[in-house]
Amino acid sequence: DVKVTQSSRYLVKRTGEKVFLECVQDMDHENMFWYRQDPGLGLRLIYFSYDVKMKEKGDIPEGYSVSREKKERFSLILESASTNQTSMYLCASSLSPGHPGGAGELFFGEGSRLTVL
Amino acid sequence: DQQVKQNSPSLSVQEGRISILNCDYTNSMFDYFLWYKKYPAEGPTFLISISSIKDKNEDGRFTVFLNKSAKHLSLHIVPSQPGDSAVYFCAARGGSEKLVFGKGTKLTVNP
Repeated sequence: DVKVTQSSRYLVKRTGEKVFLECVQDMDHENMFWYRQDPGLGLRLIYFSYDVKMKEKGDIPEGYSVSREKKERFSLILESASTNQTSMYLCASSLSPGHPGGAGELFFGEGSRLTVL
Repeated sequence: DQQVKQNSPSLSVQEGRISILNCDYTNSMFDYFLWYKKYPAEGPTFLISISSIKDKNEDGRFTVFLNKSAKHLSLHIVPSQPGDSAVYFCAARGGSEKLVFGKGTKLTVNP
């Protein structure tokens, strides 16, 4: 089974703090994603990466950066946390469509609930 | 502009009856559609998918129907069970690895 592990389930940070959210997957997936989920807004893509050291902006990248130094690890960084970044953050990974054994569906981690005070 | 729309924020059904969750999309480039289920404080889990070359896919109690001309898909759950109570997200993909998600529909199945 695919395992996507997010380092922290619950975090409380103060405005202006730097925040790191870590995600590790164990299935050698090329693609990794960071989403945030907010009530009434669904899942919104922040950043994604299709290879080591490669990244692309999603729909809401402002205030965030990412790092992918190793294939299995994808980090989300909030350089200076703000209260409007209080949210549930979801990491996911996938094989590319057409890759043997996968149809491109995303496998999600358990989520990290971040509260910024 | 919302490319994937789930117009019903919530749905309530009785145990044993059918649940029908609807999803509309606007991008004709989408060629693969998925449904995810999410419980509170957990990550979404993949439920069922359908390629644009099909109009129906079935997996146990779950069936997804795709109407390409109407740009509409639906998820049928028969019979509905209390454990099906969750938020259901429709998602679509076309031409890239990115999935575009709808805002979700909260399903409540009453015993």
